[in-house]
Amino acid sequence: GDSVTQMEGPVTLSEEAFLTINCTYTATGYPSLFWYVQYPGEGLQLLLKATKADDKGSNKGFEATYRKETTSFHLEKGSVQVSDSAVYFCALRLLNNQGGKLIFGQGTELSVKP
Amino acid sequence: GAVVSQHPSRVICKSGTSVKIECRSLDFQATTMFWYRQFPKKSLMLMATSNEGSKATYEQGVEKDKFLINHASLTLSTLTVTSAHPEDSSFYICSARDKLLYNSPLHFGNGTRLTVT
Repeated sequence: GDSVTQMEGPVTLSEEAFLTINCTYTATGYPSLFWYVQYPGEGLQLLLKATKADDKGSNKGFEATYRKETTSFHLEKGSVQVSDSAVYFCALRLLNNQGGKLIFGQGTELSVKP
Repeated sequence: GAVVSQHPSRVICKSGTSVKIECRSLDFQATTMFWYRQFPKKSLMLMATSNEGSKATYEQGVEKDKFLINHASLTLSTLTVTSAHPEDSSFYICSARDKLLYNSPLHFGNGTRLTVT
């Protein structure tokens, strides 16, 4: 079935370090891919998205490129800040799948130290 | 941008009582809303897909008589946890999509922390 796998956390980095959170997916169709961020005690906020192969989503310094050949959508940021500390979820959506429900990875907790 | 409002943000109830959680789309209409459950340090588990004017579609393993979903209008879906027990304590999150923008991302509410004592 359709699924998303993320690297396990927690990931602990120093401020201004480079961030990569790996995400790979399995899907029978042509999914759209998303990264969501969840701050403590809150719901999810869309961080970025890509709807087709080779698309690059970007927002707030974060980037991810839709790689169909490797079925990946790794999240990167060149210089993290303490305020980036949160849980990051990779997700896929197939529009022909019950109205487009999202399938989430298990989440990766990021902790950035000053 | 599109906003999804979830209420209440926190609720504490006694075992055996029922709790209703509301999910509203504030500036768009949503024919479909999704209800998720999140355990501590865990991912989001889709519970059900709420369809305006029709029955909800439940994921495998989710008790539809336990988690009642009503999507009475294009801007409101409710989740009622009936006869709640401590094991129902969790973080419940709803999401919705603008019906006019089929390929648009889902927008999420801020979640409801349910504690059953």
